[in-house]
Amino acid sequence: GAVVSQHPSRVICKSGTSVKIECRSLDFQATTMFWYRQFPKKSLMLMATSNEGSKATYEQGVEKDKFLINHASLTLSTLTVTSAHPEDSSFYICSGQGAIFSYNEQFFGPGTRLTVL
Amino acid sequence: AQSVAQPEDQVNVAEGNPLTVKCTYSVSGNPYLFWYVQYPNRGLQFLLKYITGDNLVKGSYGFEAEFNKSQTSFHLKKPSALVSDSALYFCAVRDSEGQNFVFGPGTRLSVLP
Repeated sequence: GAVVSQHPSRVICKSGTSVKIECRSLDFQATTMFWYRQFPKKSLMLMATSNEGSKATYEQGVEKDKFLINHASLTLSTLTVTSAHPEDSSFYICSGQGAIFSYNEQFFGPGTRLTVL
Repeated sequence: AQSVAQPEDQVNVAEGNPLTVKCTYSVSGNPYLFWYVQYPNRGLQFLLKYITGDNLVKGSYGFEAEFNKSQTSFHLKKPSALVSDSALYFCAVRDSEGQNFVFGPGTRLSVLP
């Protein structure tokens, strides 16, 4: 199967700082990448969908100025949490979708745990 | 709109016994159905999917799921549970026209030795 990596796997930062999370498709070209957020013991919540070279489409209730998404290449998307606050602490998971795969299948990264102090 | 229900927050089963994790769905078109497993502090791992064809789908680690169109269900099953199967299981659906997945709330499976 296709492999998606995320870096870092875990990050702790101070309130008010910005944090960048990278999502890479290692062995396929991800024309579309998705960013999810997961609260403890809860399901995944789709935050945004990004197509390579285009602006991300954010789900209702997700602040686009706070969660900056860049999908500059077919193998890399980044999520930047700007001016992070403790309520932004969560588990962030990305997934990639490639044109070579049938049925729009998504492949998920291992997740990044963000803790804002 | 698409939706997924997993009616049980928690399923407990003894090691060696069969297990079932339930999932029901609602989509406007033909459903594409998926099961994922998540271990603590890890991302989602793909178990199996139903796109078309046989209603009984076999997947990773001995898991299988049966697509039932009339009951709009896609229950996950395994004949003999292992302690290592203890994890959080998510059912997901998308319709044949859409792009996004909709995930169920998850079911925590505990297999007791």
